Amino acid sequence: ILNVEQSPQSLHVQEGDSTNFTCSFPSSNFYALHWYRWETAKSPEALFVMTLNGDEKKKGRISATLNTKEGYSYLYIKGSQPEDSATYLCAFVNDYKLSFGAGTTVTVRA
Amino acid sequence: NAGVTQTPKFQVLKTGQSMTLQCAQDMNHNSMYWYRQDPGMGLRLIYYSASEGTTDKGEVPNGYNVSRLNKREFSLRLESAAPSQTSVYFCASPRGNTEAFFGQGTRLTVV
Repeated sequence: ILNVEQSPQSLHVQEGDSTNFTCSFPSSNFYALHWYRWETAKSPEALFVMTLNGDEKKKGRISATLNTKEGYSYLYIKGSQPEDSATYLCAFVNDYKLSFGAGTTVTVRA
Repeated sequence: NAGVTQTPKFQVLKTGQSMTLQCAQDMNHNSMYWYRQDPGMGLRLIYYSASEGTTDKGEVPNGYNVSRLNKREFSLRLESAAPSQTSVYFCASPRGNTEAFFGQGTRLTVV
């Protein structure tokens, strides 16, 4: 069982504020790290696929960084909006397996 | 392009009954996965298939069997359902080692 941990489990953000949260994963046998956005009553959808140490990805107001040597990735949301409310999952890719963390649930208050 | 199609969407079983969850993908991907999602626990891997003809156990395989019928289809079978198997089940198929595409989920209740 691969230990993929996300923190915090949940957070509440005021509209317009920025926030970030963490995914930690094994630093050995790294292949890729994925971030997914999961809205209630829907299926997870990919945000980022990150493969190289130092990778930085950006999609609109959401960005992510990757440190494979120390085994962590950060997801940042700049200027949070109510539509950013969702659960954000990270997944560690290793040996054909996609192992997910438990997620960080973000609630943006208007 | 349908992507990943999963059936049924909802199911209620009595303890001891059996059922098969069906998953099909039309993206010509090699890998397919079955996950279960429980509150506070994220997605836990039940079984996966790296290619047609191969299947391997994931994190929580007990009580389940799988069949990779062909490249498109990967089914999950509960031989004798238990209340502990009440969960939401997701089938997923990644494009190589890049992003995974998910089915709509099956909400299973075992009473």
